[in-house]
Amino acid sequence: GAVVSQHPSWVICKSGTSVKIECRSLDFQATTMFWYRQFPKQSLMLMATSNEGSKATYEQGVEKDKFLINHASLTLSTLTVTSAHPEDSSFYICSARLSGGGTQYFGPGTRLLVL
Amino acid sequence: GESVGLHLPTLSVQEGDNSIINCAYSNSASDYFIWYKQESGKGPQFIIDIRSNMDKRQGQRVTVLLNKTVKHLSLQIAATQPGDSAVYFCAENGRYSGGGADGLTFGKGTHLIIQP
Repeated sequence: GAVVSQHPSWVICKSGTSVKIECRSLDFQATTMFWYRQFPKQSLMLMATSNEGSKATYEQGVEKDKFLINHASLTLSTLTVTSAHPEDSSFYICSARLSGGGTQYFGPGTRLLVL
Repeated sequence: GESVGLHLPTLSVQEGDNSIINCAYSNSASDYFIWYKQESGKGPQFIIDIRSNMDKRQGQRVTVLLNKTVKHLSLQIAATQPGDSAVYFCAENGRYSGGGADGLTFGKGTHLIIQP
């Protein structure tokens, strides 16, 4: 149980295009999902907290207009990287928490390469 | 700012030996700690967690110890196997600036290498 999926697993795009990444909780409902970013050989850094039916909460230094988050249902959150640039190339990982609190379960990650 | 950090970036152990991975945290308000295992190119995998009202918790082949006095967390892996090779992160429910109070603060990670 507590499986989280992400799609796509990897994406290559041209600079200036937008990329959408999906995060789904497959066997549980997640009121809250989180988006993290991980650069090579570094740790995970929280980007934003996504709450179903409300606006996401962004961490300091994360541009909300560049990283659009939508959490339309209890099993799906999307992250859209708008006008992607090479410096946005990274490993994007989402996590979902069981409704009512508890452990965060992570997705397999999406590797983004912006050329 | 407050952070969670690890003492050793790389730990090499012989197969079958026990491994101990350490983590220091600085946020005295943290009350929930988790260890994750991350294999190359994959997302973090939950290993074990512990709440601040406990000082020890055991799982299958793993034990987490929490010392709140010195703000120290450790993960013990018994009888390490080749499949244990990965990067291990400690994490805590730190206080993030954006108000995402439940987002996790991750340590830098320790790369565990199992030698045959």
